[in-house]
Amino acid sequence: AQSVAQPEDQVKVAEGNPLTVKCTYSVSGNPYLFWYVQYPNRGLQFLLKYITGDNLVKGSYGFEAEFNKSQTSFHLKKPSALVSDSALYFCAVRPFSGSARQLTFGSGTQLTVLP
Amino acid sequence: EAEVAQSPRYKITEKSQAVAFWCDPISGHATLYWYRQILGQGPELLVQFQDESVVDDSQLPKDRFSAERLKGVDSTLKIQPAELGDSAMYLCASSLAWTGRNNEQFFGPGTRLTVL
Repeated sequence: AQSVAQPEDQVKVAEGNPLTVKCTYSVSGNPYLFWYVQYPNRGLQFLLKYITGDNLVKGSYGFEAEFNKSQTSFHLKKPSALVSDSALYFCAVRPFSGSARQLTFGSGTQLTVLP
Repeated sequence: EAEVAQSPRYKITEKSQAVAFWCDPISGHATLYWYRQILGQGPELLVQFQDESVVDDSQLPKDRFSAERLKGVDSTLKIQPAELGDSAMYLCASSLAWTGRNNEQFFGPGTRLTVL
């Protein structure tokens, strides 16, 4: 069965500093990988996805993520954090093929950007 | 920009009552998903539709939960009877497809259910 681990419940960074939110995954075969963001009492917003190709994926609001197959990681990054980036971030994975293509989410990482 | 619509946004009910949630996906999206998100956790899939057919309902507690998408467009999720442990955010999502490259899911704002 597939799984996602977000090892940090909380990440705090100062505004203007780079940020990283970590994600590792386990899946049979090749993965589709996703990052979503959730603001309080709102649904999830799609940020970016990895399918194949370049290991560095660029997404919305200046976010990017780096796929590392050997480390089975898909860390979310941003060069310069904004206070408005403060939110709950979810990593998700689904297998590229096969009958069980359910999207599995991690438990989330609360990002706080301090002014 | 097209969005997934859900109603109501908030629902408070007493245990043993029936509740229903409605979802209207983005126009043209064939695949519709219902998720349950317990506070502090990631969403968990309850049921997935492809057009009007159920693709996956393996995690749906079928003794009390039901879902339908009769005309392959909007969908209703029902709980009867509600239990205290059902308190959660219920999220609807849609995607163009569930295979291939265009499979990112777009989420609605959710319905926050509180069972007293």
